[in-house]
Amino acid sequence: DTGVSQNPRHKITKRGQNVTFRCDPISEHNRLYWYRQTLGQGPEFLTYFQNEAQLEKSRLLSDRFSAERPKGSFSTLEIQRTEQGDSAMYLCASSPAGSATDTQYFGPGTRLTVL
Amino acid sequence: AQSVTQLDSHVSVSEGTPVLLRCNYSSSYSPSLFWYVQHPNKGLQLLLKYTSAATLVKGINGFEAEFKKSETSFHLTKPSAHMSDAAEYFCVVRSSNYQLIWGAGTKLIIKP
Repeated sequence: DTGVSQNPRHKITKRGQNVTFRCDPISEHNRLYWYRQTLGQGPEFLTYFQNEAQLEKSRLLSDRFSAERPKGSFSTLEIQRTEQGDSAMYLCASSPAGSATDTQYFGPGTRLTVL
Repeated sequence: AQSVTQLDSHVSVSEGTPVLLRCNYSSSYSPSLFWYVQHPNKGLQLLLKYTSAATLVKGINGFEAEFKKSETSFHLTKPSAHMSDAAEYFCVVRSSNYQLIWGAGTKLIIKP
């Protein structure tokens, strides 16, 4: 097992374009989380899944943001009609379910630059 | 609601001297607290976590943290800094629905 992976590592896009990021969690982990981190700040929670169910999405930044985890394995985060303010690092984490003290393991992130 | 305050945005110490990174938390119940480290261009790595067992928690790379309920603090320490410790450190509290609430981070600078 090589940990949480994210693709692509870097994405440069023009304002108004749609982008999609992928996260592959640690294989036996049921929970998957998305965060956004801007320069000089700690990560900001966006949404999370337990298996294929999206249990919290109220923190998604706008209706331009959406996430899926259709088979309970990998997840995608889509941003439609990107804006310059969307430029940030997008982080994915996973954890095993069942314990209130489970640790979240983070991927390397996808750095988005919107021109 | 839970929150975390990291009291210093930057801490600079000389190699071989002690490290202290300060963190205060706010929580309406017994919290789970974490310290994560982020090296430049690398992912976030868990240093240690407190989950209502021993109040002094030992982590990786010689770091430890002490949970002090009376002071609502969870400061991170290391007896002797190494150049490889230079990174950004985040204090984190878990909310009731498994979200992690992050501090703004403390950048640790190690002087040779």
